[in-house]
Amino acid sequence: SAVISQKPSRDICQRGTSLTIQCQVDSQVTMMFWYRQQPGQSLTLIATANQGSEATYESGFVIDKFPISRPNLTFSTLTVSNMSPEDSSIYLCSATTGGGSPGNTIYFGEGSWLTVV
Amino acid sequence: AQSVTQLDSQVPVFEEAPVELRCNYSSSVSVYLFWYVQYPNQGLQLLLKYLSGSTLVKGINGFEAEFNKSQTSFHLRKPSVHISDTAEYFCAVSTSGNTPLVFGKGTRLSVIA
Repeated sequence: SAVISQKPSRDICQRGTSLTIQCQVDSQVTMMFWYRQQPGQSLTLIATANQGSEATYESGFVIDKFPISRPNLTFSTLTVSNMSPEDSSIYLCSATTGGGSPGNTIYFGEGSWLTVV
Repeated sequence: AQSVTQLDSQVPVFEEAPVELRCNYSSSVSVYLFWYVQYPNQGLQLLLKYLSGSTLVKGINGFEAEFNKSQTSFHLRKPSVHISDTAEYFCAVSTSGNTPLVFGKGTRLSVIA
């Protein structure tokens, strides 16, 4: 199994500023992903964090707004840039052990709850 | 690409009554299916998952789900709900161990005393 830790767990941010969220997994994982959950909504995939290369973004999300890093197999960061109140959301880190085996399990962090004022 | 449809956005039910939360998926390949619960102001918690084998999957807190390939469904059931089951429930699908989950829009279960 894997445990995912996210920092910060909660924050209140001023509009126009940027915040970096950290995601640390306690064991090596194959894939890491970032999701956004806006208030009262479901989870939407932002991007796949690729180790040592640029992240793969989903439609509607761009690198300038959500730069992502993944320097190694267990750590990733998501930055929310130039924040506006519309960015107030829960940001969740997810990881998988990959391989397509029946025993595969997908893990989620507790989320980082951001409020932009 | 795969997708998930949760047919009910809200389901009110009286305490101790049975409940079914519906989930249908669309995929051109074999899938893994999941149900997650999110209690108010908390993170996601895995209820159960279908990876292969028996189509009836039992999860935590007395929940179970049945995978029906012909109907492309994975409905969640509980024979008797409690007030504490009040939460948002998300159905999700994945097609391999290397792909992210795709979530449905969620169903808000409200248990009434």
